Amino acid sequence: TQLLEQSPQFLSIQEGENLTVYCNSSSVFSSLQWYRQEPGEGPVLLVTVVTGGEVKKLKRLTFQFGDARKDSSLHITAAQPGDTGLYLCAGSSAGDSNYQLIWGAGTKLIIKP
Amino acid sequence: GAVVSQHPSRVICKSGTSVKIECRSLDFQATTMFWYRQFPKQSLMLMATSNEGSKATYEQGVEKDKFLINHASLTLSTLTVTSAHPEDSSFYICSARPFGTAQETQYFGPGTRLLVL
Repeated sequence: TQLLEQSPQFLSIQEGENLTVYCNSSSVFSSLQWYRQEPGEGPVLLVTVVTGGEVKKLKRLTFQFGDARKDSSLHITAAQPGDTGLYLCAGSSAGDSNYQLIWGAGTKLIIKP
Repeated sequence: GAVVSQHPSRVICKSGTSVKIECRSLDFQATTMFWYRQFPKQSLMLMATSNEGSKATYEQGVEKDKFLINHASLTLSTLTVTSAHPEDSSFYICSARPFGTAQETQYFGPGTRLLVL
């Protein structure tokens, strides 16, 4: 059974600080996706990483896929209150014909003004 | 971008009644649709995977006779919670995987909040 361990599960920091969220697994994924979810809404895709060692930037957000495609990180620089939300990582395995996603437990992020 | 809608967004029903939730891909055809359940402050839990024209594949522990899934077309899937009970109260989210694009991509609906009294 594939598992994706996401940490931390909860993070509350002041505006302007930096933070990193991690997703780790013992399994190899063909791709890994990061989502952000607001209360009462569905997840919104932020980025998909597919190549080992890949780094993608989305404004103040930097996403990295591990060289072995077993782990990923999300780094936020100078966090703002608008970054508050639930961040979810999800991995996809090429061995699954339906490409089901394996989900991390989520990181509840609160940025205090 | 790809848009997925869900209807209704919120429903309150009495115990014992059935509730149908619709999931539509508005601007693309979906090869596969997924149904998730999410408890407060938790991650998504996959309930079932449905491919158009075939029976849904349910995850372990999900009762197929209680959660009926119909994927009648490439743009519509429905989830019917039969004989709902208070423990079925939850946030239900669908997602759709577009036909002919990057295999891993799923687009999510806005979710349906179900409250069973």
